[in-house]
Amino acid sequence: QVQLQESGPGLVKPSETLSLTCTVSGGSISSYYWSWIRQPPGKGLEWIGYIYYSGSTNYNPSLKSRVTISVDTSKNQFSLKLSSVTAADTAVYYCARNRLRYFDWLSIPDAFDIWGQGTMVTVSS
Amino acid sequence: DIQMTQSPSTLSASVGDRVTITCRASQSISSWLAWYQQKPGKAPKLLIYKASSLESGVPSRFSGSGSGTEFTLTISSLQPDDFATYYCQQYNSYSRLTFGGGTKVEIK
Repeated sequence: QVQLQESGPGLVKPSETLSLTCTVSGGSISSYYWSWIRQPPGKGLEWIGYIYYSGSTNYNPSLKSRVTISVDTSKNQFSLKLSSVTAADTAVYYCARNRLRYFDWLSIPDAFDIWGQGTMVTVSS
Repeated sequence: DIQMTQSPSTLSASVGDRVTITCRASQSISSWLAWYQQKPGKAPKLLIYKASSLESGVPSRFSGSGSGTEFTLTISSLQPDDFATYYCQQYNSYSRLTFGGGTKVEIK
């Protein structure tokens, strides 16, 4: 079955760029949307953005100026970069798969059906 | 942006109780709503999609209902494994996916 695994540094300094990678195993990255979601300690879930396997992206407007999500289909991976981080970006970061649904000819993201285990990223000097 | 509001934020219940959690959307989202269960230190797990469709492998004591702006998640007979936090999430506005604030189901 498809599994997701996040990887990347657990500690990032303020003002630097947070970089995480999600590796998809047990299936192809093609034909799905892939999201990043985060959860600050003791708080709720916040969607960061998603990427389609073709490379098209959509970001949470509240983070859009600092977020870049990219995909490498040859490695079955997608990645998150969040720039100019502050302590408010300290959170568990999850990668997740969005199922597809179709609106006329357009494929759009559906619910998050598979999640990675999450990785804690702390922003601190 | 579509805001999702869950109530209550915390719920105390006993094993065997029928539990209902409500999620309200700030505008109509048709039936494009999912429910997730999250246990401490774990990733969320999809329970219900399209407001009332049970995800494969999820026990039938979980059910979802509603459309438009008001939705409910019901656990017909609460089991020890069900003590967790539950989140609703809308995907009608697929340019911005949003979650409710969560409902923690605690042991009474």
